Amino acid sequence: EVQLVESGGDLVQPGGSLRLSCAVSGFTVSDNFINWVRQAPGQGLEWVSIIYSGGSTYYTDPVKGRFTISRDNSKNTVYLQMNSLRGEDTAVYYCARVSRAVTMGGISMYSDYWGQGTRVTVSS
Amino acid sequence: DIQMTQSPSSLSASVGDRVTITCRAGQTISNFLNWYQQKPGKAPKLLIYAASTLQGGVPSRFSGSGSGTDFTLAISSLQPEDFATYFCQQTYGMPQTFGQGTKVEI
Repeated sequence: EVQLVESGGDLVQPGGSLRLSCAVSGFTVSDNFINWVRQAPGQGLEWVSIIYSGGSTYYTDPVKGRFTISRDNSKNTVYLQMNSLRGEDTAVYYCARVSRAVTMGGISMYSDYWGQGTRVTVSS
Repeated sequence: DIQMTQSPSSLSASVGDRVTITCRAGQTISNFLNWYQQKPGKAPKLLIYAASTLQGGVPSRFSGSGSGTDFTLAISSLQPEDFATYFCQQTYGMPQTFGQGTKVEI
């Protein structure tokens, strides 16, 4: 059974750091793409970062230089290191497996399994 | 960034109604469009990927269509468990972007 479990969310002061973890079971992180998506209170979904199976990483502009996505294959876990946190980073953070399908338009990506989310609050 | 615009932002409907939600991309995205359902306090759930492919286990009353810039999610006969917020997402370009959501209410 595929499962993703996030942890590490907390209340942190502006300028502080947190490391979120996404422990997965039922598949291997090194063979898959993993997204981090966040949702600020009462707001919509915002893509944050992705790590590809080959190790390439990408970030949304507001977090570039502050957040780092990584993985530990031996623990089958993906991390999101968040530094220099700001109030606007307050959100529930979800990790999600990204699957791919060959379609007429090319290779389509979609997030088919999601964790339950972990809450990050940045406030003094 | 590719902007995704959903309409309407919210709608009121009754059990048994046919409901359609549209999503417009700021540029052509081929068929790289996904739809998710989210209920309060829960993670999003994938409904449709590649614009029109139903994810396994999703009821057949859900359908998706469109290509290029204009896409539609349809619910043929609304059920009580379908009252939720729906989001579209494009994965054609980086960053991936979501629509602002459509809340389906009674």
